[in-house]
Amino acid sequence: DIVLTQSPVLAVSLGQRATISCRASQSVSISSINLMHWYQQKPGQQPKLLIYRASNLASGIPARFSGSGSGTDFTLTIDPVQADDIAAYYCQQSRESPLTFGSGTKLEIK
Amino acid sequence: QVKLLQSGAALVKPGDSVKMSCKASGYTFTDYIIHWVKQSHGKSLEWIGYINPYSGGTNYNEKFKSKATLTVDKSSSTAYMEFSRLTSEDSAIYYCASSTGYFDFWGPGTMVTVSS
Repeated sequence: DIVLTQSPVLAVSLGQRATISCRASQSVSISSINLMHWYQQKPGQQPKLLIYRASNLASGIPARFSGSGSGTDFTLTIDPVQADDIAAYYCQQSRESPLTFGSGTKLEIK
Repeated sequence: QVKLLQSGAALVKPGDSVKMSCKASGYTFTDYIIHWVKQSHGKSLEWIGYINPYSGGTNYNEKFKSKATLTVDKSSSTAYMEFSRLTSEDSAIYYCASSTGYFDFWGPGTMVTVSS
C-alpha cells in the first residue's frame, strides 16, 4: 500500500501562509498526471474536496488555496489563512488500489 | 446540485450486521462511481471500496473484503453497504462519496456504534 505521511499539527497566525506537506512512500504520478488530492474536514462535518490532481482547485473553493508537487512530495498552501480555515487537511492518492489517505494535519491558529 | 443522503445512526450488537444507504440526487446516478470510506473516532480516513452503479462492478480494499458488501439500486439512485460480523473496531462514521477520479462529493456520514 502507498503510505502518505503528514505532520499532525501546524500552527499559523491569521493572515499568514500555511504550508501543509504530504509525502508518499512511492510515486503517485503517471506521466505528467499527479494523482494526489486534498480534502478539508471541519469538526463534525464530512470531508470536502479542495484540490484535485495536485494543483487543480475544486469548484467553489477560494483562490487562497493552492496545491503543488509531483512524484512523492506534495504541498497544500493556504495564503492568507483565515479563521474559517481551522480544520483537518488530508491528502489522498488514487495512483493505485487500495486508495489511501494521509493521517491528516490539523491547522491551528497561533 | 449533487447531494448524497445517508441513512441515520445505528446501534448494533457485536456479531450483527448493519446495512446503510446513500441516496444520490442532482446528477445521473450511473455516471459516477460511489466510494465508501470509514473514519474511526478522531482518526484518519480509510477507503473501503467502490461500486460502479452502471455495471455493478466493485473493487474492495483487501482489509474490508470479507467485511463489506456494496450494492446499488438504480431505480432509486441508492447505494448500499452491508457490514457484517461487527466488532467494537467497526464503530465509526461511514461516508459515501461520488467520484470522477477523486472524492468529489461526500455524504454527511452514518455513525455506527457496536455495543452489547
